[in-house]
Amino acid sequence: DGGITQSPKYLFRKEGQNVTLSCEQNLNHDAMYWYRQDPGQGLRLIYYSQIVNDFQKGDIAEGYSVSREKKESFPLTVTSAQKNPTAFYLCASSIAPGGREQYFGPGTRLTVT
Amino acid sequence: QQQVKQSPQSLIVQKGGISIINCAYENTAFDYFPWYQQFPGKGPALLIAIRPDVSEKKEGRFTISFNKSAKQFSLHIMDSQPGDSATYFCAASMSTYGGSQGNLIFGKGTKLSVKP
Repeated sequence: DGGITQSPKYLFRKEGQNVTLSCEQNLNHDAMYWYRQDPGQGLRLIYYSQIVNDFQKGDIAEGYSVSREKKESFPLTVTSAQKNPTAFYLCASSIAPGGREQYFGPGTRLTVT
Repeated sequence: QQQVKQSPQSLIVQKGGISIINCAYENTAFDYFPWYQQFPGKGPALLIAIRPDVSEKKEGRFTISFNKSAKQFSLHIMDSQPGDSATYFCAASMSTYGGSQGNLIFGKGTKLSVKP
């Protein structure tokens, strides 16, 4: 059963703590993406990776970090430097770099208090 | 700045009616225009996409109309059903292999409610 999994679905953290969101895909896709979704803001690109061991900043990378050590995995760390981390985080993948036909995971809702 | 402007923000349609969502873009280099459907608490799912060499693409009750000269494209949902109630996002990208230019630029979304 191919797809993208994100865990956990809900995540709660105290302000000042780093937190890592998991994203795994078994679609054999080269490219992976992290988006942040806030009400009325659409989807904003945080980081993307076109190939293993390479990643690029998106439009709102400040306060976030990523790694891409395996093709299947693209974890996102929300650091304490992110000023407004409470949001719905979406991971996506596409078969090739270029972003066409992106497939999304179910999302992780992060709440920081 | 590359932008995709989507309207309306919200839309209420009666069951059986036609839902129309519009998007406008600025960059004439965009050549791929998808629409995504998102249900509450779920990730977006690719619904239908069009390239600028055609003016219309239809898949079931969903149709994309594309006006290259006006730099606009729209999603039409025929015979709208309560199950279509969701948030719809348009997006655009250009065919540059690799680099940031190929990434999708999303509109801000339209929340559709179909009343029974």
